[in-house]
Amino acid sequence: SQTIHQWPATLVQPVGSPLSLECTVEGTSNPNLYWYRQAAGRGLQLLFYSVGIGQISSEVPQNLSASRPQDRQFILSSKKLLLSDSGFYLCAWSVLPETQYFGPGTRLLVL
Amino acid sequence: QKEVEQDPGPLSVPEGAIVSLNCTYSNSAFQYFMWYRQYSRKGPELLMYTYSSGNKEDGRFTAQVDKSSKYISLFIRDSQPSDSATYLCAMSAGSGNTGKLIFGQGTTLQVKP
Repeated sequence: SQTIHQWPATLVQPVGSPLSLECTVEGTSNPNLYWYRQAAGRGLQLLFYSVGIGQISSEVPQNLSASRPQDRQFILSSKKLLLSDSGFYLCAWSVLPETQYFGPGTRLLVL
Repeated sequence: QKEVEQDPGPLSVPEGAIVSLNCTYSNSAFQYFMWYRQYSRKGPELLMYTYSSGNKEDGRFTAQVDKSSKYISLFIRDSQPSDSATYLCAMSAGSGNTGKLIFGQGTTLQVKP
């Protein structure tokens, strides 16, 4: 069966510090991978998606970046965090257009 | 106008009630329709998905799609306190290989014992 992992679960970082969130998927090959952000009381905002190794598409302009160094690994990064980067970050995978599966999420608080 | 509209609630019902959750959308290209359940501080969990119009039933849950009205619904029968969560609708045009979903804001449901 397929599983998706995200770490860390919770992160508190000062403004201006770097960020690296990691997501890995097990039990499937060549998945589409996605990074979302969910602000409190709001829906999911798609940040990045990837259809293959090294292929990254950005949905919104921001100071975040994403990379996919391996087939089942997706990394979200920032060189300098802003207060507005606080939120709940979710990684998801899919191989079919009608199903997308989410990880447990990382709660980021930027102070 | 947002592509997908969903009443955020909160919706509070007594245990055993029938719950109706709804979303409207504006993009007639959407073909795939999904419902996710999200417990507090957890990732969304895929509940059901349907393709095009029609109904789909899974246990106490029924998903309906009316493409002519651009309206989708999720019904929960015999609601339980464990159903208390935020329910997110999502949809996709399914074109190409990106699989991008457009989500509603989510409806918070509380089922009281």
